[in-house]
Amino acid sequence: ETGVTQSPTHLIKTRGQQVTLRCSSQSGHNTVSWYQQALGQGPQFIFQYYREEENGRGNFPPRFSGLQFPNYSSELNVNALELDDSALYLCASSSRQNLNTEAFFGQGTRLTVV
Amino acid sequence: RKEVEQDPGPFNVPEGATVAFNCTYSNSASQSFFWYRQDCRKEPKLLMSVYSSGNEDGRFTAQLNRASQYISLLIRDSKLSDSATYLCVVNRNNQGGKLIFGQGTELSVKP
Repeated sequence: ETGVTQSPTHLIKTRGQQVTLRCSSQSGHNTVSWYQQALGQGPQFIFQYYREEENGRGNFPPRFSGLQFPNYSSELNVNALELDDSALYLCASSSRQNLNTEAFFGQGTRLTVV
Repeated sequence: RKEVEQDPGPFNVPEGATVAFNCTYSNSASQSFFWYRQDCRKEPKLLMSVYSSGNEDGRFTAQLNRASQYISLLIRDSKLSDSATYLCVVNRNNQGGKLIFGQGTELSVKP
């Protein structure tokens, strides 16, 4: 087990709704990254949080937003859900101080938008 | 064109076979390189980092050619338990976590 936990594990939402996904990072890690993995594709980088601020963003619209808390846990919020948002959402924690750090992934949240 | 490209497969091989996966990346600023393994409906897990000098971990050998922007993974003596999707991954700035993934190559090892 990596020590990175995500909740919930599965979620079904209706188009237009909003969703919040949660991630607890591994002990000693101060950086959290979020990825979206569509079926049959590799994970796509959404954004990264470090010291409670967004630190880099992939090609995702503003309706994808996030937060990082003082304990380094993080939330991913998606507004105005679209059918194409159906995917596995992965959280990865790492340590910014270690330049060759490995990123450890949580088990993911599988979101289905109907 | 995707920043990291892999042959999606699937690769279907018998136990004991040697199988090679190839990957190319387009951004010459990429600094760190990895192979991750992802089992069905699970999270990706680091298999090995890839260095310019090449590196080996048991039955697994990874190679990096920076001039050609090409990464490879060789699996010798395939086991049934090697069946998974193998993801080629690059990191532009060595800060960990901002990873660029290929689409993955599916491997199925048969008895």
